[in-house]
Amino acid sequence: ETGVTQSPTHLIKTRGQQVTLRCSSQSGHNTVSWYQQALGQGPQFIFQYYREEENGRGNFPPRFSGLQFPNYSSELNVNALELDDSALYLCASSLKNTEAFFGQGTRLTVV
Amino acid sequence: EDQVTQSPEALRLQEGESSSLNCSYTVSGLRGLFWYRQDPGKGPEFLFTLYSAGEEKEKERLKATLTKKESFLHITAPKPEDSATYLCAVQAWGGGYQKVTFGTGTKLQVIP
Repeated sequence: ETGVTQSPTHLIKTRGQQVTLRCSSQSGHNTVSWYQQALGQGPQFIFQYYREEENGRGNFPPRFSGLQFPNYSSELNVNALELDDSALYLCASSLKNTEAFFGQGTRLTVV
Repeated sequence: EDQVTQSPEALRLQEGESSSLNCSYTVSGLRGLFWYRQDPGKGPEFLFTLYSAGEEKEKERLKATLTKKESFLHITAPKPEDSATYLCAVQAWGGGYQKVTFGTGTKLQVIP
């Protein structure tokens, strides 16, 4: 049990809608990262926040955005949902530059 | 662009049959290499971090090693409960930004 919790666990949205996914970091961790994992693939890095500032970003369009709050919890927002956004979204927390501990993920289905 | 390649894609072992999984990487500014285990429908579970060539770490039946170009995850006398997908990831620094790149994983099946 890593202490990283994500909500909701499952979600179905319609193409064009917007979605917000939430993550509570493990106690004491100040860094949070978000990943997208398609079926049969490795996780793809979306972005990372350290102390409320974005300090890393993968090859995702601007409609993927995030926030980290003073208590180090985090949100991932995706606008104008596309069918290809259907995936498992993973949140991971860590201390800066150390190993990350993952939550169980949110399964997003876009129809 | 950072690249991580894992091989084989899938591996089927008899219980007790030792083997190795490979993770080769091309990255500039490596900060660390991580191994994770992922069970179906769950988030990855952390196994090891390696920071420099020559480093080795062990945990139960698993041993991870690192060279300048690749990492190996050695599995000794595996049991059916070791069946999972094993993921390798590299953390690198470039352009003022930190980035993590995962491989596609090796799906391991251990048969009793």
